[in-house]
Amino acid sequence: GQQLNQSPQSMFIQEGEDVSMNCTSSSIFNTWLWYKQDPGEGPVLLIALYKAGELTSNGRLTAQFGITRKDSFLNISASIPSDVGIYFCAGQRAGRSGNKLVFGAGTILRVKS
Amino acid sequence: DSGVTQTPKHLITATGQRVTLRCSPRSGDLSVYWYQQSLDQGLQFLIQYYNGEERAKGNILERFSAQQFPDLHSELNLSSLELGDSALYFCASSVGGAPYGYTFGSGTRLTVV
Repeated sequence: GQQLNQSPQSMFIQEGEDVSMNCTSSSIFNTWLWYKQDPGEGPVLLIALYKAGELTSNGRLTAQFGITRKDSFLNISASIPSDVGIYFCAGQRAGRSGNKLVFGAGTILRVKS
Repeated sequence: DSGVTQTPKHLITATGQRVTLRCSPRSGDLSVYWYQQSLDQGLQFLIQYYNGEERAKGNILERFSAQQFPDLHSELNLSSLELGDSALYFCASSVGGAPYGYTFGSGTRLTVV
């Protein structure tokens, strides 16, 4: 089952609004990642965070790696219609057991133009 | 195009049958990961191979098996199929070893009828 709690489950916002979503876990991760999935496609990496406290931007996207290493958030500023899709957070622990990613359940973003 | 190639894109088969899904990783990537995505379970990690060897195992059923060949492509075999196996199956690849995110393929949509 899922080990990451991602919220909200879905959002319906006006074009131009800012969006915020977050992920929490009871476990510590070495890396936090945010992916976006469009219909019929695989998830595409948006932002990767490697250090606790790190704040990283990618265009209108900003994400932070929580200081406790158990949470992360993603902000999208000035949303546009092509932001529609499912956003997933993922945590990764590098180690002898491999580099598997654990995914949140996703946030469905719908933008009203 | 992500560089990760999955075939077939769609597959419809009957219960009790066996199918093979194929994945060619991005050039230079040594690790291949298989994920199952269903509506109620999100993205579930199945198994990871690194340079031909199994590296990590997730929630993979005994009816499912995988392997990675010397040319690094991977196959996921699903047997004695049940209706509940209907899902999107994603392959992802990474260089392996470093805590970087994966690159996903476009997935194979399996429908069991």
